[in-house]
Amino acid sequence: QVQLQESGPRLVKPSQTLSLTCTVSGDSISTGDYYWSWLRQKPGKGLEWIGYIYHSGSTHYNSSLKSRVSISVDTSKNQFSLKLTSVTAADTAVYYCARVPSGDDAFEIWGLGTLVTVSS
Amino acid sequence: QSALTQPASVSEYLGQSITISCTGTSSDVGKYDLVSWYQQLPGKAPKLIIYDVTKRPSGVSNRFSGSKSGITASLTVSGLQAEDEADYHCCSYAGTNAYVIFGGGTRLTVL
Repeated sequence: QVQLQESGPRLVKPSQTLSLTCTVSGDSISTGDYYWSWLRQKPGKGLEWIGYIYHSGSTHYNSSLKSRVSISVDTSKNQFSLKLTSVTAADTAVYYCARVPSGDDAFEIWGLGTLVTVSS
Repeated sequence: QSALTQPASVSEYLGQSITISCTGTSSDVGKYDLVSWYQQLPGKAPKLIIYDVTKRPSGVSNRFSGSKSGITASLTVSGLQAEDEADYHCCSYAGTNAYVIFGGGTRLTVL
């Protein structure tokens, strides 16, 4: 059974960098035809796609966040990570990681999510 | 790329059926058969219930069905049960410029 788990600081100061890691269990990131994705949900709002990465390292990002986002993969640890720079209070959200089968573009397996608050 | 348009809330009685709409453009919903729907129970992560417009993942009730006409996709929930009360989000592939866009979500209340 494939499971995803987000981890990282829950509180980040304005102008700093938000860093989160998603650990995958029950499947290998380096095999299979999947994209590994980050999404977020601001309080009381809908879902927002941040970006995804293939195990080869190929990435695609939401154009509205592209200048501040970086997603990387560490196949040796079976993890992928998110970095979001120059954060403001508007980046306060629940951040989710998810698995996407290539060709379907559907987020089939999700982590539980982690609330990250941007505040001084 | 603008978000897909969903009604903010819908309500229907127990046992009845309801349809939630998701309107996009000719660049996303109207162009690709890559619409998915997610159910989000209060305080929980979203769960995939429909993908590729009409397909249901294994284990998802057949009371959930999806369809598409032009630039509007729809999710129908039949035989409404109390546990269907949740937020429902639609999503579409939008090509290599925007990739993925979501609707604002619809709160379903079962009366």
